[in-house]
Amino acid sequence: KAGVTQTPRYLIKTRGQQVTLSCSPISGHRSVSWYQQTPGQGLQFLFEYFSETQRNKGNFPGRFSGRQFSNSRSEMNVSTLELGDSALYLCASSLLGTSNEQFFGPGTRLTVL
Amino acid sequence: KQEVTQIPAALSVPEGENLVLNCSFTDSAIYNLQWFRQDPGKGLTSLLLIQSSQREQTSGRLNASLDKSSGRSTLYIAASQPGDSATYLCAVRKTDKLIFGTGTRLQVFP
Repeated sequence: KAGVTQTPRYLIKTRGQQVTLSCSPISGHRSVSWYQQTPGQGLQFLFEYFSETQRNKGNFPGRFSGRQFSNSRSEMNVSTLELGDSALYLCASSLLGTSNEQFFGPGTRLTVL
Repeated sequence: KQEVTQIPAALSVPEGENLVLNCSFTDSAIYNLQWFRQDPGKGLTSLLLIQSSQREQTSGRLNASLDKSSGRSTLYIAASQPGDSATYLCAVRKTDKLIFGTGTRLQVFP
């Protein structure tokens, strides 16, 4: 069974640009969550999607958005990039969400110059 | 507000030692607790998941316990190996999201 995949693995952008990251969950998993990892703040929850609906959202500005498609694949978009958005972005999938084991992808390393 | 603390922040041990990593959380109303390992620059690998109704879980050389009433979990690693070197993270699930601890960086030297 294939694991969680994320594309691209690495991205370099400049301030003000926008970026879209993609996540394909494990086959059969309907919940996809996104997390931001930085050395200073650690791992922080961005949002969770379940059956194409955003179910929960963390404490991030509106520049961070996402969506989920009917095949459970999810995308995350960051507009008007800032230097502080440089981070490892991780997505996790689970069967139903709340009480299920979370499986993480390898992450997308975003560098904003 | 749920806070998750991991002690120690870093640990260096010789190969073969048994060791214990600690995780403390402030709010005992959790759905479950999950332990992960993270290798440098990589994603998270799930090690063990303990539901709130369970007391422990075992997988190979790993054993995790959960004491909700005291807000503590421990990860026991038996007969440590250099390949165990990584950062270990615990995360509690409360309602909608995982809340992560800051991690314990483990180095096992030959």
